[in-house]
Amino acid sequence: KQEVTQILAALSVPEGENLVLNCSFTDSAIYNLQWFRQDPGKGLTSLLLIQSSQREQTSGRLNASLDKSSGRSTLYIAASQPGDSATYLCAVRPQRGTYKYIFGTGTRLKVLA
Amino acid sequence: NAGVTQTPKFQVLKTGQSMTLQCAQDMNHEYMSWYRQDPGMGLRLIHYSVGAGITDQGEVPNGYNVSRSTTEDFPLRLLSAAPSQTSVYFCASRLPSGETQYFGPGTRLLVL
Repeated sequence: KQEVTQILAALSVPEGENLVLNCSFTDSAIYNLQWFRQDPGKGLTSLLLIQSSQREQTSGRLNASLDKSSGRSTLYIAASQPGDSATYLCAVRPQRGTYKYIFGTGTRLKVLA
Repeated sequence: NAGVTQTPKFQVLKTGQSMTLQCAQDMNHEYMSWYRQDPGMGLRLIHYSVGAGITDQGEVPNGYNVSRSTTEDFPLRLLSAAPSQTSVYFCASRLPSGETQYFGPGTRLLVL
């Protein structure tokens, strides 16, 4: 059974720091992995999607990598800003034919001005 | 586009009461789904639909009913609310060919 884990529940960093958020999964047979952002009291916003055949995706200051063999994905945020403060969740889609996504519990990030 | 909208934003129910959580999207997405989010457990799929008239169960369907009579709407019904259904409920939609899910703002439900 696929399980998705984000061990770090919360993180505080000063503004300007580069940081890495981690996501691990137990079964390497995945179709894709997504990183989401959730602001307090709001829904989720998709940030980056990595297909199983890809190693990384970039969008602005965000870079997500995928290592299926080790069951890990990282979200790298460069030059963090207070506006980056939010909860970041990863989700794995196990197979192409399934609708199901398996979510991690998220890492709550606070960037201090 | 309004995207995915959910009503109400917050609701308090007594045990045994019934209610319907509303979800609508104006992006002509065929795929819609309901999740619940509980502390320490991540989002879990309740029910989903791949088109009007087609629904299926997700990971935690017990105590919930859904129907999909139009592409735009996907209501979630609680037949007899229980305290274990206290949670934040999110509706999401996407295109069949797309991978990006669009989430609504959520409904916070408290069952006493």
